[in-house]
Amino acid sequence: KNEVEQSPQNLTAQEGEFITINCSYSVGISALHWLQQHPGGGIVSLFMLSSGKKKHGRLIATINIQEKHSSLHITASHPRDSAVYICAVNKNKLIFGTGTLLAVQP
Amino acid sequence: GAGVSQSPSNKVTEKGKDVELRCDPISGHTALYWYRQRLGQGLEFLIYFQGNSAPDKSGLPSDRFSAERTGESVSTLTIQRTQQEDSAVYLCASSLGDSGYTFGSGTRLTVV
Repeated sequence: KNEVEQSPQNLTAQEGEFITINCSYSVGISALHWLQQHPGGGIVSLFMLSSGKKKHGRLIATINIQEKHSSLHITASHPRDSAVYICAVNKNKLIFGTGTLLAVQP
Repeated sequence: GAGVSQSPSNKVTEKGKDVELRCDPISGHTALYWYRQRLGQGLEFLIYFQGNSAPDKSGLPSDRFSAERTGESVSTLTIQRTQQEDSAVYLCASSLGDSGYTFGSGTRLTVV
């Protein structure tokens, strides 16, 4: 069993829909990261969380330390949000989930 | 520099040759990481440098892989006697303590 599990693995949404991607982990961590990887491979760090909730534009990330669970939400989704979203936990080094491939259709 | 710089961006090499990949982290970032991503697969940890501490090499897949970092500056990842299964995008990232990570754009290695 992976130490970091993401769901769903693939997600197709219509433009404007509210999207949720979930991440569960089984190890003690100092922080959790949400990353975005576009076709072509570039990786961008979206959020780093150690507690609570963070918001940046249409993106919201939450974490529940007791339940070892985090969610990434995208409001009013747009085709340019199409990417792979990766959850990673920090246990000295980053341990990655397998990613969620999101496709937002116009 | 402003970001994490990796070179070369693309490398095609013949099986059996050695390759050296370079990463220039953000100035002042004490931590530097190497990851690998094979086609269609997730990110795989290779090695982690933190300041002057001994590196965490637990992710290196074989003794053909090695990495060095001088102080808090440039790092080189060396793959000896390359094999086709080494073909991947090799990503470098740096961070300051437990702050957010900045990733380089990667080196796409193709072993033919």
